[in-house]
Amino acid sequence: KNQVEQSPQSLIILEGKNCTLQCNYTVSPFSNLRWYKQDTGRGPVSLTIMTFSENTKSNGRYTATLDADTKQSSLHITASQLSDSASYICVVSGRGSTLGRLYFGRGTQLTVWP
Amino acid sequence: DTEVTQTPKHLVMGMTNKKSLKCEQHMGHRAMYWYKQKAKKPPELMFVYSYEKLSINESVPSRFSPECPNSSLLNLHLHALQPEDSALYLCASSHPLTDTQYFGPGTRLTVL
Repeated sequence: KNQVEQSPQSLIILEGKNCTLQCNYTVSPFSNLRWYKQDTGRGPVSLTIMTFSENTKSNGRYTATLDADTKQSSLHITASQLSDSASYICVVSGRGSTLGRLYFGRGTQLTVWP
Repeated sequence: DTEVTQTPKHLVMGMTNKKSLKCEQHMGHRAMYWYKQKAKKPPELMFVYSYEKLSINESVPSRFSPECPNSSLLNLHLHALQPEDSALYLCASSHPLTDTQYFGPGTRLTVL
């Protein structure tokens, strides 16, 4: 069964600190993995996308890693800011899957305190 | 233009009302999607249009009726909804040759 699991479910950190969010998936065959940031009541915004051959992808203070062998990904946020408070969703697409079928994790709710 | 727009931002309707949600994109994407998202849950796919034709209907109740009048517009017509249909409705679009989906800001729907 194609699944995407994220941990932790929620996380609270102080402003300026770093944090790492985890994503494990069982989607096969694998095509790509995306991390989205979703502010409350808003649509998800893409942060990074990685294909099978990519290990690391950075976007400013966000760095995503992918281990396709162990089917694990992480999102590292450095020097957190109050505006980083949001839900971070891991989304996996399967190769050859029907157009539109993405597999969503349940998200990690990050709260950054001043 | 690299964004998906949705109107209205908020909608409150009674169970006997008929209303419509609107989604628009001008990125030349030929695939458009409707998702439903409940609080603290991931988005759930409802419908997919590819080249203005409905390609996926995830067994959505008939009280939700999608329409794609042209390649830039996607509507979701609502009729006789139930309170449990209250949710954030997200529209997304993608180029058909890749599947990176760009999401709109959503419409917050409340059914009384």
